[in-house]
Amino acid sequence: DTGVSQNPRHKITKRGQNVTFRCDPISEHNRLYWYRQTLGQGPEFLTYFQNEAQLEKSRLLSDRFSAERPKGSFSTLEIQRTEQGDSAMYLCASSYYRDRAFFGQGTRLTVV
Amino acid sequence: AQKVTQAQTEISVVEKEDVTLDCVYETRDTTYYLFWYKQPPSGELVFLIRRNSFDEQNEISGRYSWNFQKSTSSFNFTITASQVVDSAVYFCALSEDQTGNQFYFGTGTSLTVIP
Repeated sequence: DTGVSQNPRHKITKRGQNVTFRCDPISEHNRLYWYRQTLGQGPEFLTYFQNEAQLEKSRLLSDRFSAERPKGSFSTLEIQRTEQGDSAMYLCASSYYRDRAFFGQGTRLTVV
Repeated sequence: AQKVTQAQTEISVVEKEDVTLDCVYETRDTTYYLFWYKQPPSGELVFLIRRNSFDEQNEISGRYSWNFQKSTSSFNFTITASQVVDSAVYFCALSEDQTGNQFYFGTGTSLTVIP
């Protein structure tokens, strides 16, 4: 069990650029979640997948954000035309159905 | 609407003191789960406990204990004989039954244990 892996760990990008993050869940975990955490706040739910199906999306997930889990394994989160307000830690978690969720160490995005 | 309130933003204690972190939640669901997570400086959220809404028994795990009171919608967390390694941000979270892990997190309590 290698845990939930997120890459990159840190990303600095210029405003207006597109960025993509990757999350590799624990193998055999069929659910995968994305959260965003801004400084001094708790994580906020963005979206989750069960296998390859995206079952829930938060209102926080604007049309500049898109998440995929094409084969029901790893997932990507893409942010288009980044804005300074997108600067945050993006956390991924996985679980087997409603069993306990395990979080990755996150990708810290800084938009300059 | 679901909401989790952690009124204590920062707490400092001297090593070996006991400390209680407060959590108050709001939900209209009758079935829900409550959680505590620890977030050290590395950023990863470390699971501490999950309780469902039908189990009001208090729980003790080593130096950690949790007090769930449905009547006051509270799920407080106590660390006994605190240690420097307990220094972290602690989050209380709520989830509804149907998703299980779609959390509503509080804003966290930053605990500093002074040696």
